[in-house]
Amino acid sequence: DAGVIQSPRHEVTEMGQEVTLRCKPISGHDYLFWYRQTMMRGLELLIYFNNNVPIDDSGMPEDRFSAKMPNASFSTLKIQPSEPRDSAVYFCASSFLDEQFFGPGTRLTVL
Amino acid sequence: AQTVTQSQPEMSVQEAETVTLSCTYDTSESDYYLFWYKQPPSRQMILVIRQEAYKQQNATENRFSVNFQKAAKSFSLKISDSQLGDAAMYFCAYKEAKGGSEKLVFGKGTKLTVNP
Repeated sequence: DAGVIQSPRHEVTEMGQEVTLRCKPISGHDYLFWYRQTMMRGLELLIYFNNNVPIDDSGMPEDRFSAKMPNASFSTLKIQPSEPRDSAVYFCASSFLDEQFFGPGTRLTVL
Repeated sequence: AQTVTQSQPEMSVQEAETVTLSCTYDTSESDYYLFWYKQPPSRQMILVIRQEAYKQQNATENRFSVNFQKAAKSFSLKISDSQLGDAAMYFCAYKEAKGGSEKLVFGKGTKLTVNP
């Protein structure tokens, strides 16, 4: 298996632009997670899905952030409009039987 | 809410020596999982070892082992025969047992340097 796939690996955008991060989980995994990593706040969960249904979105910082999982093999995290404080590494992870496997992350820079 | 604390922001070890990274957590649950993840400079998060709280036996994976003290809510990671490739950030994480939240709660991490 190729593992969790994320795209793009790097994204540089200007404040106010829309940003879409993409994730393909490991086939057969029933949970999908979006995390954000910053120096100040460390690793924090934004949202997670079970069988494509959002279960806990309490970590989503504000209405500018939205996540979708239209099918078992694809999820998006969208930021609209983006702000400089959104600069971070965003990880997608998927799990089956309690172990989470992480993607390589997307480094987002908002200028 | 559950919290995870890693009190050592940085640690260093000589190649081939042994090092122990500390982790404490706070929970009112009796059943849960604990994990150690490694994040090398490539930033890929790699699962190193896991421990189920109901198991008394400490988990071991090759050169990596844990010292799980449930009453003290302590979960340290021991790396034996350290190698240059072990240099990375190490994160301790907590998760509720099946039926609870699937959310991983992470500590702030410990940066491990391995000196040749």
